Amino acid sequence: DTGVSQDPRHKITKRGQNVTFRCDPISEHNRLYWYRQTLGQGPEFLTYFQNEAQLEKSRLLSDRFSAERPKGSFSTLEIQRTEQGDSAMYLCASSLAGLADNEQFFGPGTRLTVL
Amino acid sequence: GENVEQHPSTLSVQEGDSAVIKCTYSDSASNYFPWYKQELGKRPQLIIDIRSNVGEKKDQRIAVTLNKTAKHFSLHITETQPEDSAVYFCGYSGGYQKVTFGTGTKLQVIP
Repeated sequence: DTGVSQDPRHKITKRGQNVTFRCDPISEHNRLYWYRQTLGQGPEFLTYFQNEAQLEKSRLLSDRFSAERPKGSFSTLEIQRTEQGDSAMYLCASSLAGLADNEQFFGPGTRLTVL
Repeated sequence: GENVEQHPSTLSVQEGDSAVIKCTYSDSASNYFPWYKQELGKRPQLIIDIRSNVGEKKDQRIAVTLNKTAKHFSLHITETQPEDSAVYFCGYSGGYQKVTFGTGTKLQVIP
């Protein structure tokens, strides 16, 4: 499978615990995005990278959230001290920055449930 | 600010009829407008997109129109089929960056 992959697909955790998700983008894509989607809503932007540089973070993103893309390939999203309000589907997407390419390809998501 | 309104939130049509979903955005710098289809329990997938230098784009039964002056764009699906049933999200972007998505339209095509 050469598409975007995410791991794990499901995560159940207790309030206050830390969780980390991984995203592997399409191999030649240099841009990687994290979104959060709750039931009945569209994906909400969290942050994005071009290569290893984090270029933008949502103003709504709590300081409990941190993302990295150390080698410009896979990325991790960590949530510290999880809260019940963090329960959502976390989607990763990748794209190839260029003159015409802008399509973002989404991964299957990681569904987080905070008890 | 960044905002996109999408209407209607739900839409039921008979198989073979047309469906139209409309979105209005606020960011004048927007130049890329994608539409994604999300089936239940699956990832969003791009079905069509349009750039600001084009007023209309068509791909088989799907078309998108853009009115930059009025800041709205629409998705048109003709000859709807049951497999078109899904949630559709409009979006806009100011470049090769984040996409701001609408709240979605749940389309049901009744056989």
